[in-house]
Amino acid sequence: EVQLVESGGGLVQPGRSLRLSCAASGFTFDDYAMHWVRQAPGKGLEWVSGISWNSGSIGYADSVKGRFTISRDNAKNSLYLQMNSLRAEDTALYYCAKEAAAALGLGYGMDVWGQGTTVTVSS
Amino acid sequence: QSALTQPRSVSGSPGQSVTISCTGTSSDVGGYNYVSWYQQHPGKAPKLMIYDVSKRPSGVPDRFSGSKSGNTASLTISGLQAEDEADYYCCSYAGSYKEVFGGGTKLTVL
Repeated sequence: EVQLVESGGGLVQPGRSLRLSCAASGFTFDDYAMHWVRQAPGKGLEWVSGISWNSGSIGYADSVKGRFTISRDNAKNSLYLQMNSLRAEDTALYYCAKEAAAALGLGYGMDVWGQGTTVTVSS
Repeated sequence: QSALTQPRSVSGSPGQSVTISCTGTSSDVGGYNYVSWYQQHPGKAPKLMIYDVSKRPSGVPDRFSGSKSGNTASLTISGLQAEDEADYYCCSYAGSYKEVFGGGTKLTVL
């Protein structure tokens, strides 16, 4: 079964850091690009970051650029999101999503999604 | 990098057709044929319904179709069914390895 399982969310104070993980199974992880997408409570989807199969291409939303870092470990079938200098507006459910292609920017869409991990930034 | 513009809500009766628009700019929707659409039921993860403007992944009913003209993409759902009631989001490639979502549209089946 193709599956993505996120972890690492929690309650964190503004200005602190948090690292999210996404464990992939049921498919050849290093054949596909991956994304992080978030959804604030009661709000819409916001793309956060994407990474190609070999980490050669990486993109960030303007809202997180310079604070968040996406990475992957193909040997461990895992995707990560290092989040620094967290703000209240980063509070959201963070989804890990699989791109239906190896590269970014080919328009194949995000065809597999995890159930998300919740990040709450509050003092 | 502004969100794409979608109507907040649309509605239709069972069996009818509805169309959801998604308006961007020449830097995203208008610049690439890389628009996808996602369906999200309450409390659930999004589901890919359309990619590459008009292609359907395996398993998505052919009642769902996509198109694009200029800076506006559209999702049309024909033969509305009760289970189609959900939130729908468009997404476009925006260059430089970035993606941008629309604000979402709530579809109500009357």
